[in-house]
Amino acid sequence: SQQGEEDPQALSIQEGENATMNCSYKTSINNLQWYRQNSGRGLVHLILIRSNEREKHSGRLRVTLDTSKKSSSLLITASRAADTASYFCATQRTGGGADGLTFGKGTHLIIQP
Amino acid sequence: ETGVTQSPTHLIKTRGQQVTLRCSSQSGHNTVSWYQQALGQGPQFIFQYYREEENGRGNFPPRFSGLQFPNYSSELNVNALELDDSALYLCASSLDSIRSTDTQYFGPGTRLTVL
Repeated sequence: SQQGEEDPQALSIQEGENATMNCSYKTSINNLQWYRQNSGRGLVHLILIRSNEREKHSGRLRVTLDTSKKSSSLLITASRAADTASYFCATQRTGGGADGLTFGKGTHLIIQP
Repeated sequence: ETGVTQSPTHLIKTRGQQVTLRCSSQSGHNTVSWYQQALGQGPQFIFQYYREEENGRGNFPPRFSGLQFPNYSSELNVNALELDDSALYLCASSLDSIRSTDTQYFGPGTRLTVL
């Protein structure tokens, strides 16, 4: 079953604008990861945030984690056409090392040139 | 590039047949996980192998089985294929995943179509 839910399901913005995607999950977690997927191909790891971290940055990406609300957000600043893709959050539940990652259904992001 | 490769890229099978998908992990990665991604959905965890033994499994029937070899290659086998098995199959490798706090690196996937 899918634990996480991304919101919105789809997002279309102009190039140069910022894009924000949200993720909610249900169980306690070790970490939360964000992935990008282009056109139904493999997943590209973007960023991992551990349960004891609240914010993390990587280039134009900023991720926040609120474990009390069981939610995370991914902000992409100064978007580019190449950012067009589906974005997934995935959680690793506490004590569930051998249970794999639990993914949401993803947010489909379209950057209009 | 993640250094994880999968073969074949695409595969078409008939209902009832058997299929083997292959994955080559990054050198040194002792853990490989397999995921099934149906169209429009997020990936779902099938199972995980650590040092050639299955040590975790998602909600998939026994006709989904796997093998992991010492040379960092692995296989996903699916018997008695059903139409609903049509999906993108992804493998992911990580360093050491008993606690799975490491990043998982995904391959490009194998798209399986069952007719």
